[in-house]
Amino acid sequence: DFVMTQSPDSLAVSLGERATINCKSTRSLLYSSNNKNYLAWYQQKPGQPPKLLIYWASTREFGVPDRFSGSGSERDFTLTISSLQAEDVAVYYCQQYFTLPITFGPGTKVDIK
Amino acid sequence: QVQLVQSGSELKKPGASVKVSCKASGYSFTNFAVSWVRQAPGQRLEWMGWINTNTGSPTYAQGSAGRFVFSFESSVSTAYLEIRSLEAEDTAVYYCARVISEGGNWFDPWGQGTLVAVSS
Repeated sequence: DFVMTQSPDSLAVSLGERATINCKSTRSLLYSSNNKNYLAWYQQKPGQPPKLLIYWASTREFGVPDRFSGSGSERDFTLTISSLQAEDVAVYYCQQYFTLPITFGPGTKVDIK
Repeated sequence: QVQLVQSGSELKKPGASVKVSCKASGYSFTNFAVSWVRQAPGQRLEWMGWINTNTGSPTYAQGSAGRFVFSFESSVSTAYLEIRSLEAEDTAVYYCARVISEGGNWFDPWGQGTLVAVSS
């Protein structure tokens, strides 16, 4: 299985400041034939289901604010919230879909400082 | 809008069975697979597998086959997860999600989740 790790486990950021979440895979998620990274990011607010934010490592889902951005390639990926808003308090998960079984990271909790 | 609505919470005894439903609306049900993901207390999301709502073919994650059964009724745009011989370790929130397979497989949207609690 592709094991996903995330860092940090949690972080607290002041409103308007940048939040950076890292995700690492034990194996490359880059498919050479199409040059795409098979990674998605989700946001899960308390008491709610996960919500898709980003797929193909950097493609923002329709309707997701542009303060959310994804970057990285192969084994190392980053989700950046450029200017944290109060409504961004949540747990963020990365997910690889390069191969089955699909696996998720352990999550990173983002709070307001 | 595209929506998945799941059945309500369940409290079951060990050894019993439970069937969770997931009703889809806002899209053509047979055009997208439905996946099941569970989240045990304090644990990460765990992919259980999915069912192809066009062919009826299920794919189970290792460890899900046997006690977990995916099914659907296309006439009512509803997918089902049945868990047999429940164990305490099955206590979790179970989510269904539509699978977007545009060359990859990500999940959007998700149902609201169904808590299955197993306790004697």
